[in-house]
Amino acid sequence: AQTVTQSQPEMSVQEAETVTLSCTYDTSESNYYLFWYKQPPSRQMILVIRQEAYKQQNATENRFSVNFQKAAKSFSLKISDSQLGDTAMYFCAFMKHDGSARQLTFGSGTQLTVLP
Amino acid sequence: GAVVSQHPSRVICKSGTSVKIECRSLDFQATTMFWYRQFPKKSLMLMATSNEGSKATYEQGVEKDKFLINHASLTLSTLTVTSAHPEDSSFYICSASRPGMNTEAFFGQGTRLTVV
Repeated sequence: AQTVTQSQPEMSVQEAETVTLSCTYDTSESNYYLFWYKQPPSRQMILVIRQEAYKQQNATENRFSVNFQKAAKSFSLKISDSQLGDTAMYFCAFMKHDGSARQLTFGSGTQLTVLP
Repeated sequence: GAVVSQHPSRVICKSGTSVKIECRSLDFQATTMFWYRQFPKKSLMLMATSNEGSKATYEQGVEKDKFLINHASLTLSTLTVTSAHPEDSSFYICSASRPGMNTEAFFGQGTRLTVV
């Protein structure tokens, strides 16, 4: 079984600053995917960024980037130039690379507040 | 992008009654859908995997007779909470992925169930 750990229940950052959210995971799988999802107050889950474990290059999506350390089983999310709209709960998630299986294992979440 | 629609967004029901939640994939066929439960300020916990044309697969600890899942078509899965109790009050979210290699999970808007 997989586990995903987010050790920061809450974080805050000043608008326009940079913040890093931490995530570690444990798995015996060699092929898998990692995700960061955002859940704003509307509670709609929104994909922020995705990383394939077999790719060494860290994924980036505009202001969002990850630091993927496979050996350390670490997958942190960096948000640059934070905006008020980034305020949300952020979940790190794991998915096995396993045929049709698409279920996600989520971390406990980090509530990020961007301060004006 | 793909859209998954969940209905209703909010429902209040009396103890002992049943309530049905629908999850539809609007622009793709989903042979597999997933149902998650989320308690306030907590993470998403996988309840069950809904398989089109066959029985759902339930996670350990989830009562299959209480949470009935039907996936009768390639675009619709339903979750019925039977004989609801106040402790069943929660936020329920479904997700689905496009068939094939695309790993992105698309989430419904969620259903807030309150049992009074």
